[in-house]
Amino acid sequence: GENVEQHPSTLSVQEGDSAVIKCTYSDSASNYFPWYKQELGKRPQLIIDIRSNVGEKKDQRIAVTLNKTAKHFSLHITETQPEDSAVYFCAASKTDKLIFGTGTRLQVFP
Amino acid sequence: DGGITQSPKYLFRKEGQNVTLSCEQNLNHDAMYWYRQDPGQGLRLIYYSQIVNDFQKGDIAEGYSVSREKKESFPLTVTSAQKNPTAFYLCASSPQTQAQETQYFGPGTRLLVL
Repeated sequence: GENVEQHPSTLSVQEGDSAVIKCTYSDSASNYFPWYKQELGKRPQLIIDIRSNVGEKKDQRIAVTLNKTAKHFSLHITETQPEDSAVYFCAASKTDKLIFGTGTRLQVFP
Repeated sequence: DGGITQSPKYLFRKEGQNVTLSCEQNLNHDAMYWYRQDPGQGLRLIYYSQIVNDFQKGDIAEGYSVSREKKESFPLTVTSAQKNPTAFYLCASSPQTQAQETQYFGPGTRLLVL
């Protein structure tokens, strides 16, 4: 079955710096890759997603890139702000269920 | 997000007791999912349902049971066979039966063992 690995598990950056979180997946048939943000004690919320027919997608300060050949995808956050502090999860899917990575705790220091 | 609700927010289970977690959505979504979240382990799929009166096991179904008698409701029962039930339980729904659509999560239920 599908396996998703996510790195790093924790990431600390200074406000204004960029943050990059990387995920790799095992099943080459996976074709949908969402990213979720979960603030402390709250529900995960979708922040961006990408499908296998696209290599990159941007939404203001966040972007996701997908390398199908290498089977990895990355989340890029530019000009980080303290409110970006949260746990971020990647996921991969090909049919009827999502397989999640283990999460990255991002801390943005003022 | 306000269209999917879970109750209770906190739930305490005694040894040998079955407990049921509620999940309701008014988004008219076909698919519903239950996840378990433990520290450092991400979200693991327990059960999912793509249509009323049908559901499939996820990766960690042992010790859990579900039902889908109504489109808007997908309750999860944690049975006494689940020996380590302490976790944060998240319910989600999505518009279509294929997972390549956004999953919307409920606020979660934290289950603790007395």
